[in-house]
Amino acid sequence: NAGVTQTPKFRVLKTGQSMTLLCAQDMNHEYMYWYRQDPGMGLRLIHYSVGEGTTAKGEVPDGYNVSRLKKQNFLLGLESAAPSQTSVYFCASGRPSSGNTIYFGEGSWLTVV
Amino acid sequence: QQQVKQSPQSLIVQKGGISIINCAYENTAFDYFPWYQQFPGKGPALLIAIRPDVSEKKEGRFTISFNKSAKQFSLHIMDSQPGDSATYFCAASIGTNAGKSTFGDGTTLTVKP
Repeated sequence: NAGVTQTPKFRVLKTGQSMTLLCAQDMNHEYMYWYRQDPGMGLRLIHYSVGEGTTAKGEVPDGYNVSRLKKQNFLLGLESAAPSQTSVYFCASGRPSSGNTIYFGEGSWLTVV
Repeated sequence: QQQVKQSPQSLIVQKGGISIINCAYENTAFDYFPWYQQFPGKGPALLIAIRPDVSEKKEGRFTISFNKSAKQFSLHIMDSQPGDSATYFCAASIGTNAGKSTFGDGTTLTVKP
């Protein structure tokens, strides 16, 4: 009964390095999302996907790429990390049906030095 | 332009008291208004949500009041408990893509025993 699982939970990167955050959900949800959360601010949507093989830009997509090759996985990539990308990243998933509940992972803490 | 404004930024309430958090929105196309609760080190979790066709929704000690004409909605926590101490986010979205939400900046609630 895992729900939404994010890996890794913590990571320190040097400026210019690349990395990928993995999100996996076991609820057979169509929709998946990546957000970032900065101190004193709400969540801001980076990218989202409404189904396998589809992705779309959110509010703050610059510097990030995503892929949804399998329905249960949604990957967030940073090609060349910058200190401004230091943040907590949350993945979420949901169905486009009644209730509109989305379920969040526990977060990935990323520091870029 | 921030579409959802949340206040206050922080709130301290005595055990047994009423906690009230307010949100105001600008986009009249929003049709789904959830509140999320987030504990330190965890992802947000849906607490309660409302649609604009009702003025109030109650679930246990938690109530959403919705004022469509004023474009405002609020969360009331009755008989506040120390276990309610968390950060609360309001959000607003359009249609069935609930994850494509605009979030408020959050309110940190502390309930003193």
